[in-house]
Amino acid sequence: DAGVTQSPTHLIKTRGQHVTLRCSPISGHKSVSWYQQVLGQGPQFIFQYYEKEERGRGNFPDRFSARQFPNYSSELNVNALLLGDSALYLCASSFGLAGSQETQYFGPGTRLLVL
Amino acid sequence: GNSVTQMEGPVTLSEEAFLTINCTYTATGYPSLFWYVQYPGEGLQLLLKATKADDKGSNKGFEATYRKETTSFHLEKGSVQVSDSAVYFCARSGAGSYQLTFGKGTKLSVIP
Repeated sequence: DAGVTQSPTHLIKTRGQHVTLRCSPISGHKSVSWYQQVLGQGPQFIFQYYEKEERGRGNFPDRFSARQFPNYSSELNVNALLLGDSALYLCASSFGLAGSQETQYFGPGTRLLVL
Repeated sequence: GNSVTQMEGPVTLSEEAFLTINCTYTATGYPSLFWYVQYPGEGLQLLLKATKADDKGSNKGFEATYRKETTSFHLEKGSVQVSDSAVYFCARSGAGSYQLTFGKGTKLSVIP
């Protein structure tokens, strides 16, 4: 079975541009979460979606937005890119039924470089 | 708020040495606890988990016990291999939520 897939794998943008990152969850999973991992740090929670509704939001500015589609795939959008947005963006999926006991399965990530 | 503190790295061990990576968490709510591993250039892989006090998670020779009294979830392995070289992250779930809070990670290098 396919795991969590993300696209693109790498991306280079310049300051002020917009970026869209995509994620497909494991088949049968209805929850998708997004995390930002800056080099040398642990991942930081950005968003969680379940059944196409936002269920959680981390401490990120409004430049960050996301959505989940009827097939449970998800997009993360970042506007007005800053140098500090350079990071590995990780998508994680889970069934979405067991709350805090859920295991989240991570994709390989999209590495974003902002110049 | 929720937080996770894990021992600073990097850690360098010889093959077959004993490994301990310390992890403590804030005691708000009843979190589940996780260890994830990240190999170079890859995403995170779940290594093991524990969902309640005194549970022991184990996988591939790694073990960690959920200690509520000391708010700890230390990772141990009796005999490390070169292939265990990676960055290890301790994480806790939120109270009733899916949000994971991660530690900063501990880089392990195992030399032959």
